[in-house]
Amino acid sequence: GESVGLHLPTLSVQEGDNSIINCAYSNSASDYFIWYKQESGKGPQFIIDIRSNMDKRQGQRVTVLLNKTVKHLSLQIAATQPGDSAVYFCAEKTQAGTALIFGKGTTLSVSS
Amino acid sequence: NAGVMQNPRHLVRRRGQEARLRCSPMKGHSHVYWYRQLPEEGLKFMVYLQKENIIDESGMPKERFSAEFPKEGPSILRIQQVVRGDSAAYFCASSRLAGEQETQYFGPGTRLLVL
Repeated sequence: GESVGLHLPTLSVQEGDNSIINCAYSNSASDYFIWYKQESGKGPQFIIDIRSNMDKRQGQRVTVLLNKTVKHLSLQIAATQPGDSAVYFCAEKTQAGTALIFGKGTTLSVSS
Repeated sequence: NAGVMQNPRHLVRRRGQEARLRCSPMKGHSHVYWYRQLPEEGLKFMVYLQKENIIDESGMPKERFSAEFPKEGPSILRIQQVVRGDSAAYFCASSRLAGEQETQYFGPGTRLLVL
């Protein structure tokens, strides 16, 4: 069935470290992937997306890597800051579907 | 540049009452999606609408729940005869176009508490 999951429910890092948040998906038909950041009491905020015809995409301080062979997605945050503390969700979209399918999320805690 | 707006932000209802949640999409967006989030979980798709049409309601319970997106005004998610299990955060997202690779932008959500 379709599912998107994350390897770790929590991740704690020191300010200035690089963070890597992982996600595994099971539907090989999915061809669009998004990372969202959700702060407490707020809605998901778009961070970065990647299409299945790409392996890597970079934004400001963030990089998303897609490995279609093992159905793995990761979000790398460079020089993590306290303001990066939030729950991070990966989401996928299938070719036929309109809905985003979310995993359960990874809580990133950044200490000073 | 206003984003997706939702109101109310918090809603308290007693069992058996009705809940109405409103969503105004981003300017220029004509596609609206509703999701529900239970505590400590990811978002679950409920329904996708375009103006005056329900396109996909595969994630919405068949009873008590309905959604609309009229020609004028916001999209409404309506829950009749609420039960405690309806307590959750309800998020609306919008996109400019429909398509498998169209980004959805989320509103701040409505947190529904059923007493």
